[in-house]
Amino acid sequence: AQKVTQAQTEISVVEKEDVTLDCVYETRDTTYYLFWYKQPPSGELVFLIRRNSFDEQNEISGRYSWNFQKSTSSFNFTITASQVVDSAVYFCALSEAYSGGSNYKLTFGKGTLLTVNP
Amino acid sequence: DGGITQSPKYLFRKEGQNVTLSCEQNLNHDAMYWYRQDPGQGLRLIYYSQIVNDFQKGDIAEGYSVSREKKESFPLTVTSAQKNPTAFYLCASSIFRQPQDTQYFGPGTRLTVL
Repeated sequence: AQKVTQAQTEISVVEKEDVTLDCVYETRDTTYYLFWYKQPPSGELVFLIRRNSFDEQNEISGRYSWNFQKSTSSFNFTITASQVVDSAVYFCALSEAYSGGSNYKLTFGKGTLLTVNP
Repeated sequence: DGGITQSPKYLFRKEGQNVTLSCEQNLNHDAMYWYRQDPGQGLRLIYYSQIVNDFQKGDIAEGYSVSREKKESFPLTVTSAQKNPTAFYLCASSIFRQPQDTQYFGPGTRLTVL
């Protein structure tokens, strides 16, 4: 069964610090997809990134970067020079292909609450 | 602007009452989903629909019901059979129901049972 672990329940940093949010996943499939979402205090989940299992290139988008390592089953998310507006709950999620066609499941981790203090 | 709307934002229910949460999308997506979120927890799937007039149970469907009469709309009814309905409910949609299709979420409805 697929599983997503976000071991950091809460992280608190001071503005301008760099912070890394960890995500470790378990899957038996060779083809799968990983996602990160941001949930600000307003509640809506905002999609940040999707990564395919066959593409291990790291990705950078402004202050955000993602490190995907199949060898350690991790898909970590780093915010550089954090800002107060980055304060939110961040969720990592995993979906598997070829597990029954449309019966796939998107499994979420429990989330990491990031607080960026001024 | 394309997106997903949910209403109401806050909903209060007396025990024994059924309530219906609205979800509308104008993204022309085929698939729609309902999730429940409890404090400190990830999201759990209640129901999903791949296409109009079709829907399937998710992990925690007991005490909930849905309909999908229109592509744009996927309302969720929380029935009196749901033992602990107080939670944050999120609706999502994706272009199709495939593992690689990103799910996009609405703003959520916070339901409180009085």
